[in-house]
Amino acid sequence: KQEVTQIPAALSVPEGENLVLNCSFTDSAIYNLQWFRQDPGKGLTSLLLIQSSQREQTSGRLNASLDKSSGRSTLYIAASQPGDSATYLCAAPGEGNQFYFGTGTSLTVIP
Amino acid sequence: SAVISQKPSRDICQRGTSLTIQCQVDSQVTMMFWYRQQPGQSLTLIATANQGSEATYESGFVIDKFPISRPNLTFSTLTVSNMSPEDSSIYLCSVEGREDYGYTFGSGTRLTVV
Repeated sequence: KQEVTQIPAALSVPEGENLVLNCSFTDSAIYNLQWFRQDPGKGLTSLLLIQSSQREQTSGRLNASLDKSSGRSTLYIAASQPGDSATYLCAAPGEGNQFYFGTGTSLTVIP
Repeated sequence: SAVISQKPSRDICQRGTSLTIQCQVDSQVTMMFWYRQQPGQSLTLIATANQGSEATYESGFVIDKFPISRPNLTFSTLTVSNMSPEDSSIYLCSVEGREDYGYTFGSGTRLTVV
């Protein structure tokens, strides 16, 4: 069964800092991996989808990397802003094409 | 990517009652997924709903407690039956988009059972 782990569980940084969120997965036979953002009490917003054939995906200040062989993905946020404060979740497919989610990293960007 | 309209966004319900959550997708999709997110936890898949067949439930979830309807390729409902405070969670529906977009989620239903 796919297991997804995210480190750190919580992160607090001053505005303007660059930061890295980590995601690891146990079953490397994945066809993609997806990063989401969740605001308190809300649904999920897709940030980036990385296909298994890709190593990186970029969207604005966000950059996600994927290393299947080591079972890791990172989400890099450049020049963080208070509006980036949210919980960030990564998800990877597993048996039966079910998507398995990590427990998330709760990010607070301090003005 | 697909756009999902999920209703209600939140509700406070009495124990023993039932709540039906609706998800409407702006395009036809084969599979729709229902997730639960308990307070402070990550998402857990409840069931996968295919049009024209019974939903497939994950371990720990049963049809009597979480009946699902999938009358067509753009709509699904999840009912949380005979609710107890332990059912207080965020419930989310999801669809798998085209290859470039991955999964899309509804805005979630925040349920509080008192």
